[in-house]
Amino acid sequence: EDKVVQSPLSLVVHEGDTVTLNCSYEVTNFRSLLWYKQEKKAPTFLFMLTSSGIEKKSGRLSSILDKKELFSILNITATQTGDSAVYLCAVEAGSGNTPLVFGKGTRLSVIA
Amino acid sequence: DTGVSQDPRHKITKRGQNVTFRCDPISEHNRLYWYRQTLGQGPEFLTYFQNEAQLEKSRLLSDRFSAERPKGSFSTLEIQRTEQGDSAMYLCASSLVPSQNYGYTFGSGTRLTVV
Repeated sequence: EDKVVQSPLSLVVHEGDTVTLNCSYEVTNFRSLLWYKQEKKAPTFLFMLTSSGIEKKSGRLSSILDKKELFSILNITATQTGDSAVYLCAVEAGSGNTPLVFGKGTRLSVIA
Repeated sequence: DTGVSQDPRHKITKRGQNVTFRCDPISEHNRLYWYRQTLGQGPEFLTYFQNEAQLEKSRLLSDRFSAERPKGSFSTLEIQRTEQGDSAMYLCASSLVPSQNYGYTFGSGTRLTVV
């Protein structure tokens, strides 16, 4: 059974700190790994990663994938209170016709 | 097009009642997915459609659950004889397959509370 494990499950930091969120996976026929941010409602897309070692960056957020060790990290630098959310990792596997498998998420709280 | 919309946003129902949720995907998207999310968990896959065909159902989807996408556009998810364990956020997402760009877009969800 395909599995996605995120750590830590929750994290509290102060504004300005840098955080690293982890996602490991065990799936058959890996295709891509995705990161989402979920505040109160719909998950919103952050990154899609398909190749090892290539960093994706958007502002203060960045992510990288290691297909040999089967994990990804999401980094957030200079955190702000607006970064408080649940960060979800999901994996697309199989033939491409299979739905995403999600981890439980990491709840990040950034305090002023 | 304003994205994936779901209706209602919140539903409170008594145990044993039937409920139906609606999802309107992005109009050009051919795939539509239903997920369920409970507190402290990530979204769990329930079922998905390619156009009007239901291609896969999770074992989470008991006989009390049924989903339709009759004309390949909007979809409904019905839960019969609701139980307290059905209380969750029901998320709909849509995508276009195949596509050069990633296009998995979620709606805001329907939060179901069974009392």
